[in-house]
Amino acid sequence: DIQMTQSPSSLSASVGDRVTITCRASQSISIYLNWYQQKPGKAPYLLISAATNLQSGVPSRFSGSGSGTDFTLTISSLQPEDFATYYCQQSFSIPWTFGPGTKVEIK
Amino acid sequence: QVQLQESGPGLVKPSQTLSLTCTVSGGSINSDGSYWSWIRQHPGKGLEWLGHIYYSGSTHYNPSLRSRVTMSVDTSKNQFSLKLNSVTAADMAVYYCARGRPFVYSSYGMDVWGQGTTVTVSS
Repeated sequence: DIQMTQSPSSLSASVGDRVTITCRASQSISIYLNWYQQKPGKAPYLLISAATNLQSGVPSRFSGSGSGTDFTLTISSLQPEDFATYYCQQSFSIPWTFGPGTKVEIK
Repeated sequence: QVQLQESGPGLVKPSQTLSLTCTVSGGSINSDGSYWSWIRQHPGKGLEWLGHIYYSGSTHYNPSLRSRVTMSVDTSKNQFSLKLNSVTAADMAVYYCARGRPFVYSSYGMDVWGQGTTVTVSS
């Protein structure tokens, strides 16, 4: 199985801050990397597919980059509705695997 | 707009079989290229992909559960199902169904999710 790691596991930030979350795969996954946002009691929500492709309706303050083993999710200006847990997920090989999540909290 | 809804017992006895169904509305389960997935989330924990099924019935399972899991599809009802046998307390989780859709370069992402259903294992 491909292991996914994320850093940090949690962070505190203020509205308006630039936030960067890193995801690393245990082997190369090309661009087969997705990012999800999950709020408490809700299902995950797909933000970015194929490492860099913003899903329709997702605000442009979200962006993704990377390929191979190292990926980044950036929120350019954190908004109140962005406080949530973010997961990366690889679809390069079966089984699809998720990172452990990064919880973004209010400072 | 495609929507998914999980259904099934919220309480399962230890050693018995967990059975859940996901109903697809607003679109066809026969969508070319889409895989229909099951994911679970243990309380306060991360996400675990259990497997997926294509409308043809072709499946991929997570090897960690392969011996206990079975997925099926009923295209006439626009539904797909999960069966997990010999459940234990370790199977208590929120279970989600989701659509895995191909995006650029055939990279799959799960873009539509059900609301999730909580399964408790207890006698």
